Amino acid sequence: GQNIDQPTEMTATEGAIVQINCTYQTSGFNGLFWYQQHAGEAPTFLSYNVLDGLEEKGRFSSFLSRSKGYSYLLLKELQMKDSASYLCAVTDSNYQLIWGAGTKLIIKP
Amino acid sequence: DGGITQSPKYLFRKEGQNVTLSCEQNLNHDAMYWYRQDPGQGLRLIYYSQIVNDFQKGDIAEGYSVSREKKESFPLTVTSAQKNPTAFYLCASSGLDGYNEQFFGPGTRLTVL
Repeated sequence: GQNIDQPTEMTATEGAIVQINCTYQTSGFNGLFWYQQHAGEAPTFLSYNVLDGLEEKGRFSSFLSRSKGYSYLLLKELQMKDSASYLCAVTDSNYQLIWGAGTKLIIKP
Repeated sequence: DGGITQSPKYLFRKEGQNVTLSCEQNLNHDAMYWYRQDPGQGLRLIYYSQIVNDFQKGDIAEGYSVSREKKESFPLTVTSAQKNPTAFYLCASSGLDGYNEQFFGPGTRLTVL
């Protein structure tokens, strides 16, 4: 079967750095997405990785290792507005998006 | 502005009634999707469509129906056969060129009383 694992919840302090991990087992791989979702709102796109390595975009970076079936999202200089759920999603061999359950990130002052 | 619209934002229905949620996109995307999200959980795929007049069941299609008569529109009907319909419903669309970032509408929160 296809499976994506993320921690259910994480807590971090304002101004700090947090790393949210995602491991996947899918039938084929055609890219990995990270989305941010604030409570009661729609998910919004954060990053896309299809090749191994680190993609940096401002305070957010995303890393991919295809051989390990592993990705992480790194958030720097945390702000209170970063409190949200972070969803990992993998495109499989049929170009279908397989979604993880999401990681709820709580930022404390 | 290009985007996806869903209406209404909040919807209340009595048990046993069918209800239709609308989803419209002007992004010229070929593919459209319906997801259900329950509190504290991830997205579960209900139905998707990659071309007009064709659609496929997702993981939890029972109790739901869709149509795709126009490229821009993909309405979802929640039927009385759906045992637990109260949830947050999200519509999304994407291209079909391999990089299939999905763009989401604002969602409809359905409460069945």
